[in-house]
Order: sequence, then C-alpha cells, then structure tokens
Amino acid sequence: KNQVEQSPQSLIILEGKNCTLQCNYTVSPFSNLRWYKQDTGRGPVSLTIMTFSENTKSNGRYTATLDADTKQSSLHITASQLSDSASYICVVSDIYTFKAAGNKLTFGGGTRVLVKP
Amino acid sequence: GAGVSQTPSNKVTEKGKYVELRCDPISGHTALYWYRQSLGQGPEFLIYFQGTGAADDSGLPNDRFFAVRPEGSVSTLKIQRTERGDSAVYLCASSSGHSSAGELFFGEGSRLTVL
Repeated sequence: KNQVEQSPQSLIILEGKNCTLQCNYTVSPFSNLRWYKQDTGRGPVSLTIMTFSENTKSNGRYTATLDADTKQSSLHITASQLSDSASYICVVSDIYTFKAAGNKLTFGGGTRVLVKP
Repeated sequence: GAGVSQTPSNKVTEKGKYVELRCDPISGHTALYWYRQSLGQGPEFLIYFQGTGAADDSGLPNDRFFAVRPEGSVSTLKIQRTERGDSAVYLCASSSGHSSAGELFFGEGSRLTVL
C-alpha cells in the first residue's frame, strides 16, 4: 500500500529561526512529490513540485529536497515568519494508469508548524 | 472562475439526512478530485473525474457516497443517510489535464457536521 509518513507531527519555533520537516514515502512507481501549505480552515496551496530527476527546488524561503533513491524529502523553512504557521503536507503521486492518465495522490498526515514571536 | 469554488462552506445536518456538496473547478480544467479531510489528518482521496466520467472512484467509502460531473465542469458530491462519522472537511481540487505533474488547485472546502 502506498504510504507517506511525515515527521514531526508538530513543532513550535521562534520567529526568525529555521526548521526542517521530513517526509518518507513508499509510493511506487514514483511520479512526483509536492509540498503543500494549508492554513487553518483553508484549502492546501502548492509550494513545490519535484519530479524524479530534481533534487532541490526553492520557493522563496521554502526549499524542498528529494532523494528518490532513499524515498525521502525535506522542506526547509528559512527565517520563519508568523505567517508560516500552518500545516505542511507532503504529497506523492504515482503513475496512474486506470482507464485514463492522471494523478493518484497519496497525502501525508502533515506537520503542524507554529511560529511564535 | 478565478479559483476552485466550493459550496456550502459549512453544512450542519442531522444523522440520516441527505446532503449535496458542490464544486466549481477552474474554467477549462478537465481533471477534478474530491478529498475528505478529518481534523489533524491529511486529505483522503475519494474520487477523480477526467471530463464527465469518474476515472477512479475507489476512494468512496461505501455506496452512500456518490459524485457526478454531468457536463465536465461542476461536480456534486452526494451523501445519503449521513452518519456522524461523515463529519469532515470535503475538499475539491482541479487540474488542467493528464500530465502527472499538473498543478493541483484546491478549493476552501465544505465543512460537514453531522449531529
């Protein structure tokens, strides 16, 4: 069964500090890995998408890494701001072949980040 | 529209009632997904449409759940004989097509509470 495990489940950091979130997956065959940010009461918003050949991708203060060999990814938040308080969800896509091409996404449980002043 | 629109944003109903949740995807997006998210959990796949047809409905938990997309645009998720365990946020997402790396855009969700 395809699985995506995230750690830690939650963390508290001080404003201005850095943090790293982890994602391990067993999804196969692998297509791509995404990180989403979900504010409380809102829908997830995409931060990065990485395919098999990409090792790192940045979006502002967010940097995602991918090791497709070990099936691990990380999301690094630099110089955290209060607005970074949210859940960060790792999502892995396999190559979906049932009836029509598309995405079948496996979501992790998310890491809840709280940035304190 | 500019984004994925879901209505209602909140729905409170009694056990045993029927509910409909509506999703209006981004104009031109052929792929549409329904997910269910319980508190503190990641979204759980329910059903995927490519155009008008349900390409994968393997995530629907039982036959009380059904979804349609008759004209390949707006989709309705229908839940019959609601149970308290159906309480969750139902998220809809759309993307532009077949590409497995296609960006997925989510709506704000419909929060369903079954009393």
